[in-house]
Amino acid sequence: GAVVSQHPSRVICKSGTSVKIECRSLDFQATTMFWYRQFPKKSLMLMATSNEGSKATYEQGVEKDKFLINHASLTLSTLTVTSAHPEDSSFYICSAALTVQETQYFGPGTRLLVL
Amino acid sequence: QKEVEQDPGPLSVPEGAIVSLNCTYSNSAFQYFMWYRQYSRKGPELLMYTYSSGNKEDGRFTAQVDKSSKYISLFIRDSQPSDSATYLCAMKTGANNLFFGTGTRLTVIP
Repeated sequence: GAVVSQHPSRVICKSGTSVKIECRSLDFQATTMFWYRQFPKKSLMLMATSNEGSKATYEQGVEKDKFLINHASLTLSTLTVTSAHPEDSSFYICSAALTVQETQYFGPGTRLLVL
Repeated sequence: QKEVEQDPGPLSVPEGAIVSLNCTYSNSAFQYFMWYRQYSRKGPELLMYTYSSGNKEDGRFTAQVDKSSKYISLFIRDSQPSDSATYLCAMKTGANNLFFGTGTRLTVIP
């Protein structure tokens, strides 16, 4: 299957700082990338869908000014958690697909802890 | 009512047992059905991908979709300790986003 990487795998930061998470599709060009958030023992919650070269579409209840998404190339999307607070601590997972209709391949996730 | 319902378990079985995992859903427009396996602190890994109703087999794994009952299943034969993980069902309509179940946590005991 296709390979998707995320960096960093784990990050600890102080409250009020911003954190950037990268998602890369290593062996295919992903027109569409998705960002999810997962709480312990809960399912994945879709945060936003991004298409290369255009603005991300955010799900209801997700603050677009807090979670900045950039999908500047067909192999890279970034999620920036701005002015992070402890309640932003979570497991963030990206996925990538050739198109929005195609199978999504998931990255290994990034664990964010905000102190 | 949630779009996708899945028993969270946990489910414990002895090595070699047949495991049955299930999801029900409410949206009759779902056409694509997937099962993902997620190990602790890792991203989900696609196991099975099925379009519409029917069965699909891949090694020890069999996926079944019954659209008339809005019910999907994943069977694991000859379960191994390495199968211990959380199994997530997911589904979607043609162009829309994935809807996930909450995941079933499986432990296969040696």
